[in-house]
Amino acid sequence: NAGVTQTPKFQVLKTGQSMTLQCAQDMNHEYMSWYRQDPGMGLRLIHYSVGAGITDQGEVPNGYNVSRSTTEDFPLRLLSAAPSQTSVYFCASRDLYGANVLTFGAGSRLTVL
Amino acid sequence: GNSVTQMEGPVTLSEEAFLTINCTYTATGYPSLFWYVQYPGEGLQLLLKATKADDKGSNKGFEATYRKETTSFHLEKGSVQVSDSAVYFCALSYTDKLIFGTGTRLQVFP
Repeated sequence: NAGVTQTPKFQVLKTGQSMTLQCAQDMNHEYMSWYRQDPGMGLRLIHYSVGAGITDQGEVPNGYNVSRSTTEDFPLRLLSAAPSQTSVYFCASRDLYGANVLTFGAGSRLTVL
Repeated sequence: GNSVTQMEGPVTLSEEAFLTINCTYTATGYPSLFWYVQYPGEGLQLLLKATKADDKGSNKGFEATYRKETTSFHLEKGSVQVSDSAVYFCALSYTDKLIFGTGTRLQVFP
């Protein structure tokens, strides 16, 4: 079972460049989300979606865009990368109803120079 | 607001020692509580959960009891192994979101 697949695993960008972090899940989960993990900060929610065509902001949405055109995919876009966006990014999904148990991807480490 | 506070790490133990990682929370209503574990180079995975007061979650020898009176959900294990070395996150569910603590790194030495 693939679960939640994130690509790329590592990426280095220059300030001002754009890129998309890909996330795909094969569990037919309605809910998908993006977190960033920073030392001493734990995990902070960036954006989330409760179904195709529906997205909402989390705790730290500035500088990031998302879309949800299919149930399976939830890409995270950085339109103009900044050094403050250097972090490890995790995509996670779950059933919409139930005990709020997330399945996480393996993470994408992004460095912005 | 809703928040989770965990003890600072790292926690360093010898194999077979007793483990406690403290977690307290602030929440409106009655959240569900979780412990997630992150092994090196991997994403988080659910370790255990409790959905109401006095529930005890358990898995792989780890336990935590949902204490409403002390707003706590401390993680315990009677005898840790080197393979338990990881980062442990306490979390609570609030509407459709999970709120995580900052994580506690556990290092177990043989």
